Amino acid sequence: QVTLRESGPALVKPTQTLTLTCTFSGFSLSTSGMCVSWIRQPPGKALEWLARIDWDDDKYYSTSLKTRLTISKDTSKNQVVLTMTNMDPVDTATYYCARIRVIVGATTLDYWGQGTLVTVSS
Amino acid sequence: QLVLTQSPSASASLGASVKLTCTLSSGHSSYAIAWHQQQPEKGPRYLMKLNSDGSHSKGDGIPDRFSGSSSGAERYLTISSLQSEDEADYYCQTWGTGIRMVFGGGTKLTVL
Repeated sequence: QVTLRESGPALVKPTQTLTLTCTFSGFSLSTSGMCVSWIRQPPGKALEWLARIDWDDDKYYSTSLKTRLTISKDTSKNQVVLTMTNMDPVDTATYYCARIRVIVGATTLDYWGQGTLVTVSS
Repeated sequence: QLVLTQSPSASASLGASVKLTCTLSSGHSSYAIAWHQQQPEKGPRYLMKLNSDGSHSKGDGIPDRFSGSSSGAERYLTISSLQSEDEADYYCQTWGTGIRMVFGGGTKLTVL
């Protein structure tokens, strides 16, 4: 059974750095084809993809947020960490991690975490 | 530019069927998409992957009431025998240049 769970601070101040952890089970990020992405959703708005890390440690970022994001993994702990620098109130959102599978060139997002709400306010 | 367009809202009666639409932008009509459901106050759930030829593969535990189809640049999600728990936001999603993920704006489905 695949599960993902996000954790991190519920409140951060403007200009601070946000660190979120995705702890997962039911798969390994050392297995070929496995990836984890971060996606966010501002209140009442649509989903926005942020970043992805692959089993081979390849990393990809949203073009608009690339300079502020860092994604990393700890395979032994089954965790993926996302850091976002210089937080602003517009970054207030629910942050989700999700599993991505790449099989024979076909990519599928097939499991989501429950999300964690991050509010940016002084 | 790759864009997914969805109607903001839809409604249908309990027990009826509803067909939601996701339209791919010009030049991208061959793209596969995925449908995701987000019930109120919950995280999204993967429903299915839908190819341009209408073939689709559903996620674990997704009922047979959910099906997908395609026509040109349009991708459809049909939900039959609507139940109250189907009231949710439905998002389509695809993959842009490289591995960039693109989401539609979502359709809020109301079950009357």
